[in-house]
Amino acid sequence: GQSLEQPSEVTAVEGAIVQINCTYQTSGFYGLSWYQQHDGGAPTFLSYNGLDGLEETGRFSSFLSRSDSYGYLLLQELQMKDSASYFCAAKGQAGTALIFGKGTTLSVSS
Amino acid sequence: GAGVSQTPSNKVTEKGKYVELRCDPISGHTALYWYRQSLGQGPEFLIYFQGTGAADDSGLPNDRFFAVRPEGSVSTLKIQRTERGDSAVYLCASSLTDRENSPLHFGNGTRLTVT
Repeated sequence: GQSLEQPSEVTAVEGAIVQINCTYQTSGFYGLSWYQQHDGGAPTFLSYNGLDGLEETGRFSSFLSRSDSYGYLLLQELQMKDSASYFCAAKGQAGTALIFGKGTTLSVSS
Repeated sequence: GAGVSQTPSNKVTEKGKYVELRCDPISGHTALYWYRQSLGQGPEFLIYFQGTGAADDSGLPNDRFFAVRPEGSVSTLKIQRTERGDSAVYLCASSLTDRENSPLHFGNGTRLTVT
């Protein structure tokens, strides 16, 4: 089977940096993705890591270590609008779909 | 351009009834996915299509659930003999290809309530 574990909740203040961790167990591995979902909205794609290392997209970065079956999403210069749920997702085998973690609810306060 | 469109946005039905949920993917996207999401949970995979064929239907919970994509574009998720436990938001997503680095574009979902 496949599973992805991430913290259920994280809180932070505006301007801070927060890291959301994700560990995964999959029979195979085809990269780690991150999605953001605001309350009542659709999940939207943030980043994909196929190889080890850091990928940076503006205020958001994502990291992958395949040897540790671990990744994280780093959010910098937090803004109130970053309050949302964040999901890591992985594809275990060719010809299968993304499997999502249960999500981390990020609350940003002023 | 237009995103993924799902209809209806809300559906209330009685236990035992049949429902159909429709998904209109982004034009040109070959892969289409169905997930369902309960409150406080991540999207739970149901089935995905590459073109007209179901590439992976391992997530369908039982034989009351069925999905089609006859022309490789619009897809319909069909649920027979609905049960209260089927209540959830049903999300559809499409992607340009089914490669692992091809982002999923989600619709706003259909909120299904079985009474």
